[in-house]
Amino acid sequence: AQSVTQPDIHITVSEGASLELRCNYSYGATPYLFWYVQSPGQGLQLLLKYFSGDTLVQGIKGFEAEFKRSQSSFNLRKPSVHWSDAAEYFCAVGRDSGGGADGLTFGKGTHLIIQP
Amino acid sequence: EPEVTQTPSHQVTQMGQEVILRCVPISNHLYFYWYRQILGQKVEFLVSFYNNEISEKSEIFDDQFSVERPDGSNFTLKIRSTKLEDSAMYFCASSLGTEAFFGQGTRLTVV
Repeated sequence: AQSVTQPDIHITVSEGASLELRCNYSYGATPYLFWYVQSPGQGLQLLLKYFSGDTLVQGIKGFEAEFKRSQSSFNLRKPSVHWSDAAEYFCAVGRDSGGGADGLTFGKGTHLIIQP
Repeated sequence: EPEVTQTPSHQVTQMGQEVILRCVPISNHLYFYWYRQILGQKVEFLVSFYNNEISEKSEIFDDQFSVERPDGSNFTLKIRSTKLEDSAMYFCASSLGTEAFFGQGTRLTVV
């Protein structure tokens, strides 16, 4: 069965500082990997995705993530955070299916706090 | 930019009542999904729907739940007899093949 672990429940970062959110997955085949962001009271917005190819993927809002198969990780990074980045971040894994999102398994999320 | 639309944004219902949550997926999408997020917990997959039938469902999606695409544009989730533990945010999503776009969610409160 597939699973996702986000080891950090809360992370506090100063505005302008760099950010790395950790994600480890367990999956028996080639995974589809996603990072979503959820602002308070909002839905889930896709930040970036990895299916194949270049292991460093660029997303929206200046985010990037690196797929490391040997470590079963897909960590999210941003070089300089803004106060508007405060939100809940979810890593998710899916399988290679026609729909691209069949049975996505989400991590428990990391709550990002930005301090001035 | 096309988006997935869900109505209502918040619904309160009495335990034992039937509720229907409505979603309008992005118009050319082919795959449709419902997920839920109980307050403070992670987002959980409920069901996927393709070609007018359920393609996959989770253990959560028991006989109390059903989905329908009645008219080619709407995608609904019905809960026949709501329980207190059905209180959650329900997200609809649609996909053309490689990524899912999520709606803003319907917050269901069962009292």
